[in-house]
Amino acid sequence: GAGVSQTPSNKVTEKGKYVELRCDPISGHTALYWYRQSLGQGPEFLIYFQGTGAADDSGLPNDRFFAVRPEGSVSTLKIQRTERGDSAVYLCASWVGGPGELFFGEGSRLTVL
Amino acid sequence: DAKTTQPTSMDCAEGRAANLPCNHSTISGNEYVYWYRQIHSQGPQYIIHGLKNNETNEMASLIITEDRKSSTLILPHATLRDTAVYYCIVSPRDDKIIFGKGTRLHILP
Repeated sequence: GAGVSQTPSNKVTEKGKYVELRCDPISGHTALYWYRQSLGQGPEFLIYFQGTGAADDSGLPNDRFFAVRPEGSVSTLKIQRTERGDSAVYLCASWVGGPGELFFGEGSRLTVL
Repeated sequence: DAKTTQPTSMDCAEGRAANLPCNHSTISGNEYVYWYRQIHSQGPQYIIHGLKNNETNEMASLIITEDRKSSTLILPHATLRDTAVYYCIVSPRDDKIIFGKGTRLHILP
């Protein structure tokens, strides 16, 4: 079956614009993570869903960032009033649960000009 | 406040075993040790995890000390394709996975 799919793979936007990034997890995986990664750094945790609800959103940097997963499958990360510091690769991962493997997508590279 | 400490970078000759250390002296009894790696411009890739016992799979071996305060990931016959950043992570079952800075492993021809 297909792996974790993220769209768009690249997004260039202007400061102040609104952006949506989409993650399509592996079918049947109940848990979904969002991370962001800046150059030379490890992935930074943003939010983690179990089913439809956010189990832990402690990594969201401020209220400009919001994520949803309305049907417990596809998730959308929404960034309002983008700033240049939001430029990064946004990674999504899905997980069947328990101790085990997170499956990552290839990421969405966001550039805010 | 990282839970793990890893060397910033390491070199290993192609064909030799790569041994990547990780210190996790404050690990709790219910926390697992996970290893992931990230090849340039790709998403992280799961390698292996363990709780107390040593583990082996087709990619690597994980050796956990008896007191669980440190572990070593072993790539038995490193190839150029193993050049990547390797992340050691400790986390309870069903809890979020937090990445640190990892070890940048260079496999030398």
